Formats: sequence, C-alpha cells, structure tokens
Amino acid sequence: DIQMTQSPSSVSASVGDRVTITCRASQDISTRLAWYQQKPGKAPKLLIHTASSLQNGVPSRFSGSGSGTDFTLTISSLQTEDFATYYCQQAISFPRTFGQGTKVEVK
Amino acid sequence: EVQLVQSGAEVKKPGESLKISCKGSGYIFTNYWIAWVRQMPGKGLEWMGIVYPGDSDIRYNPSFQGQVTISADKSITTAYLQWSSLKASDTALYYCARENVAADGQSFEYWGQGTLVTVSS
Repeated sequence: DIQMTQSPSSVSASVGDRVTITCRASQDISTRLAWYQQKPGKAPKLLIHTASSLQNGVPSRFSGSGSGTDFTLTISSLQTEDFATYYCQQAISFPRTFGQGTKVEVK
Repeated sequence: EVQLVQSGAEVKKPGESLKISCKGSGYIFTNYWIAWVRQMPGKGLEWMGIVYPGDSDIRYNPSFQGQVTISADKSITTAYLQWSSLKASDTALYYCARENVAADGQSFEYWGQGTLVTVSS
C-alpha cells in the first residue's frame, strides 16, 4: 500500500496568513493526488484533483502543486471559513489512501 | 444533480449484523466506482473499499478485507456496506463517495451525508 504522510499535523494561523501543507507519498504517484477540506460534522469537500487542478467552485486562494512523491496545498490568504482539517489522497492504485490530516486552527 | 443519500444512524449491540446503504441518483450509476470511507470518532479518513456497479468489481483495503462486505445493486442504484458480527471498534461515521473517472482526476467529488454506526452493549 502507498503511505501518505502529511505535515504538519496542525497549524495555527490568522486570517490573511499564507498556509502551506505538505503531503509525501511513499512511492511515485505522478500527479494522481487530491486534496479535501473537512469541517466538523460534514462530509469532506474536494478542493483539488490531479495535484494542481482546482475543483469547480473552489476559491482561487487554494492551489496545489507537486508530482512524484512531494506535494503541497497552499492557501494564499486564509479566510475564516478555511479553518478546517485538510487531507491528501492518492489515486494511482488500490487501496486508495489518505494522509492523516492537517488541522488549520485559529492562532 | 448528483446525489448520494445514505441510510440513517444505527445503534447495535456487539455481535449483531448490519447493512447500510448509499443510493445514487442524478448520474449513470453503473459508470462510476463507489467507495466506502470510515471516520472513527475524532480521527481521520480511512478508505475501506470500492465497488464498480457496472460489473460488481470490488476492491478492498487489506485492513478491512474479511471484516466487511461491499456490494451494489444496480437495479436500484444502491451500494451497500455490511457487517456479519459488529464489534465496539466498528463505532464510526461511514461515508460513501463517488469516484470521478480518470479524465477528471479519479477523486471523490460527491459524498453521502454519512451514516453513524454506534456499537455498544
């Protein structure tokens, strides 16, 4: 199985901050990576697929980059509604696997 | 409009059986994989397995193989997750999610609302 490791596990930030979350795969997954946002009590929401493609309707302050084993999710200017937990997920092979999550908290 | 509607919350005793459902609508049910994802209280997302309703191809996460059964009935556009003998450790929120086709990134764009399963004596 491909292991997905996110860092940091949590980050404290303020509105307007730039936030960067990294995700590392245990083997080459090309660009077969997605990012999700989850708020308490809600289903995850797809933000980015294929490493850098912004899902329709997602604000442009979200961006993704990377290929191979190292990936990044960046929020360019954190908004109130962005405080949530973020997960990466590989989509190159079964079983699909998620990172352990990164919680973006209020500083 | 694509929708995945899951069955309601369940409270069960250890050793009991359970089958929860996920009804898809608004798209061609047989053309997309449907996955099940577990979220234990306060924890992250775990991919359990996936079914392709078109031919009932099923793939399991080895961590869940033998513990659950995934299936789909294309005649009623519904996917299922079932247990034959529940344990307290099965207490969790379970989501179904539709996987997009490869051209759209094979990511989970559509999710059910979640089914809370509580197993307690």
